[in-house]
Amino acid sequence: QSALTQPASVSGSPGESITISCTGTSSDVGNYNLVSWYQQHPGKAPTLIISEVYRRPSGVSNRFSGSKSGNTASLTISGLQAEDEADYYCSSYAGSSTVVFGGGTKMTVL
Amino acid sequence: QVQLVQSGAAVKKPGASVKVSCKASGYNFMSYGIIWVRQAPGQGLEWMGWISVYNGKTNYVDKLQGRVTMTADTSSNTAYMEMRSLRSDDTAVYYCARGNGYTFGSHIYYDMDVWGQGTMVTVSS
Repeated sequence: QSALTQPASVSGSPGESITISCTGTSSDVGNYNLVSWYQQHPGKAPTLIISEVYRRPSGVSNRFSGSKSGNTASLTISGLQAEDEADYYCSSYAGSSTVVFGGGTKMTVL
Repeated sequence: QVQLVQSGAAVKKPGASVKVSCKASGYNFMSYGIIWVRQAPGQGLEWMGWISVYNGKTNYVDKLQGRVTMTADTSSNTAYMEMRSLRSDDTAVYYCARGNGYTFGSHIYYDMDVWGQGTMVTVSS
């Protein structure tokens, strides 16, 4: 299975909103509402911030939101803060009890 | 609190094997799966596979079939990932993650809601 497609980088100023896309196919993102998003700060393990397309785990800021349309899922971060600067990865169920990740997006707060 | 603590860094020669451990605490170990993910230096995340701690069932990504084995010891709340015939491109940080499982039809899906700190495995002659 091929990796999901994410932009290599995005940026925004404090207080602004940004959206990161995650494009797959009808065999993964388009066929299942099992898209997750992970945040990874440099040198740290990833943390789950969105599951099942739009669900936020307990403790995750409501500035993070997820959505999906067709074969593309999206993560929106509103009210950007310096601490949001990190790498972001999407993942999707891909059939046969497997998961595929996106290539990752480096998010910079200007 | 829920925690996964992994074993320390390892340096191996090409062709050797490595076994990484992942000790769980703070939750019912048998009620969740364990997923393994790796990340080569400067690269993205790669899903490797999972083990159902409850029944020992495993599922691996095709490219690692035959070289990787995932196990779980419920007496010590510890999961293991063993990789054989190591190559230089296996150099990566290896993560375990707790799997919140969903079963639908013949499908099994695990979300990754808590992660270990990672184990650096270096393969070099």
